[in-house]
Amino acid sequence: AQSVTQLGSHVSVSEGALVLLRCNYSSSVPPYLFWYVQYPNQGLQLLLKYTTGATLVKGINGFEAEFKKSETSFHLTKPSAHMSDAAEYFCAVTMRDDKIIFGKGTRLHILP
Amino acid sequence: DGGITQSPKYLFRKEGQNVTLSCEQNLNHDAMYWYRQDPGQGLRLIYYSQIVNDFQKGDIAEGYSVSREKKESFPLTVTSAQKNPTAFYLCASTNPNTGELFFGEGSRLTVL
Repeated sequence: AQSVTQLGSHVSVSEGALVLLRCNYSSSVPPYLFWYVQYPNQGLQLLLKYTTGATLVKGINGFEAEFKKSETSFHLTKPSAHMSDAAEYFCAVTMRDDKIIFGKGTRLHILP
Repeated sequence: DGGITQSPKYLFRKEGQNVTLSCEQNLNHDAMYWYRQDPGQGLRLIYYSQIVNDFQKGDIAEGYSVSREKKESFPLTVTSAQKNPTAFYLCASTNPNTGELFFGEGSRLTVL
């Protein structure tokens, strides 16, 4: 079965430190890949996406992610964490049948 | 403004009652989705519809029903057969060119 795995349901980083949120997917064909952010009691907002072309994609709020086909990964990074980055982050993959599969999410905590 | 509107935002119901959650979009998107979100579970697909008058079951369709009589509307009914209906429900539609999901603000259902 196709799946999306996010390592770590909770990640804590200090303000100003590097943010790394991991995402691996299982798919036999190149998918579309997304990262979404969710603030409490709200819907999800798109951070960034990979469809085709350059494998390093930049998104909003200083986030970026790199698609590595050989590792089936799409990890999310930000060089310097800010308090406002505290939220839940979801990796998602669009399969060829138009189903969109989400990981279980990673809650990012920012330590002062 | 274009977007997804879900209503109501909060809903309380007694056990055994059916409830219908509304989802309307003015983005002119063909595909629409319903997800259920529980803590630590990520987003799980309930139903999706790629075109008017057609819809498919997702991973957790039991106890739910949908209709797609109009392109703009994709209501979800949580029936009394759903064993554990208390959850946060998210409706979304996709941009057909990018696969990006646009989400509503969600509906939180609590069954007493």
